[in-house]
Order: sequence, then C-alpha cells, then structure tokens
Amino acid sequence: DAKTTQPTSMDCAEGRAANLPCNHSTISGNEYVYWYRQIHSQGPQYIIHGLKNNETNEMASLIITEDRKSSTLILPHATLRDTAVYYCIVPRLRNTPLVFGKGTRLSVIA
Amino acid sequence: DGGITQSPKYLFRKEGQNVTLSCEQNLNHDAMYWYRQDPGQGLRLIYYSQIVNDFQKGDIAEGYSVSREKKESFPLTVTSAQKNPTAFYLCASSITREAFFGQGTRLTVV
Repeated sequence: DAKTTQPTSMDCAEGRAANLPCNHSTISGNEYVYWYRQIHSQGPQYIIHGLKNNETNEMASLIITEDRKSSTLILPHATLRDTAVYYCIVPRLRNTPLVFGKGTRLSVIA
Repeated sequence: DGGITQSPKYLFRKEGQNVTLSCEQNLNHDAMYWYRQDPGQGLRLIYYSQIVNDFQKGDIAEGYSVSREKKESFPLTVTSAQKNPTAFYLCASSITREAFFGQGTRLTVV
C-alpha cells in the first residue's frame, strides 16, 4: 500500500464540519484512496473511496487534490457518534490485506 | 442479512490452552483476513486467505494458526505458543479493495 500520513488527533464541535486530511504523495495513477473509521471496541467500517474525482455518499464527502497527493474526508455535520479513529488507506491490489496506520482520532465535542 | 460474524464477542481462557475464534461470512467473498489490535494501537495482520485451501502469514503469525476449508469460514486458533494472546481480534472479508469487518472477539487469557 502507498504510505499515508494523517494527523494523530483532531477535535470538532458538534454540528460543525469535520475535515480530516491525509497525505499520500507516493500514490500511483490507478490506486484508490479509501477511508474507514473505527468506533471504540467495534470493527472498522468502510466510509468512502475515490480515484480522482470528488465523491459523496450518505456518510461523507471525499475531496482529492488534482495531483492526487492528498485528500480530505469531510463529515458535513459532525455528531457525537462520529467520535472514532479515521483511517486513510491506499490499497495496492484487490483482495490483498489493508495496511492500517495509526489513523486520526477525531473527538466530537458537545 | 449479509455480513461477517465473529463469535464469541468475549472469550476467557487459561494460560496454556489453545482457543479457536470463529469467523463466518455470507457475502460470497473470496478473501478473508485476521487482524489483532492491542489497546490504543492500530490493526496488525495475522493471517489472510485469498482463496479456499490457501492462506498466507501476515506480520505477526507466530503462535497462531488458521484453516480455510470453506469459502465462508476462516477460523483462527490462538495456540499456547502465542506469548501475549490477550487482545481484540478482528476478522474481515473482501472481494475488491473494500473490506467488511466483523465486530471482533475480545480474548482475555488469565
């Protein structure tokens, strides 16, 4: 997997947008960016993925820079239930194990 | 409901005993994975299987064993050779680059 770099932790006020950055400067042209999150004591949950275009689903939006060397996951209206560790992953091949770094611990504060 | 099921959720064993953790999926996924997570740490890969009757060691396979006799099942045995088995164990499956995780088994060895 291409190496990714994320901040260790971030805080966000409830109801505000949470913007989680990820650097993946060694990404190859056909590699996707995936985001997962892990709520305490649960298994990781898939959030969203993208190649070059911005993506949006019911959970989040993913903004990928034009050079593809970084991306930002946006939770538009963070709630207390969004408190979790968020992982940015660039898988190399399909059906190969995901490599999890330390991720970003997001704390949503009331 | 399609999904991946790990059982039991909590498991206690005496030191020196082997223990087998169950992982079953009905998603028809080819690949399955076992990860270990220690408190405050990221996920580390134990074993993975990309096809029935085949599996590969991950980064921390020592003291563990697996089998993949059926597509839907990938049990993990924690043997007495594993020096520090107390941890949170996560199973996952995938068919592309997106992985689906179970809710984990928390193993405590006393």
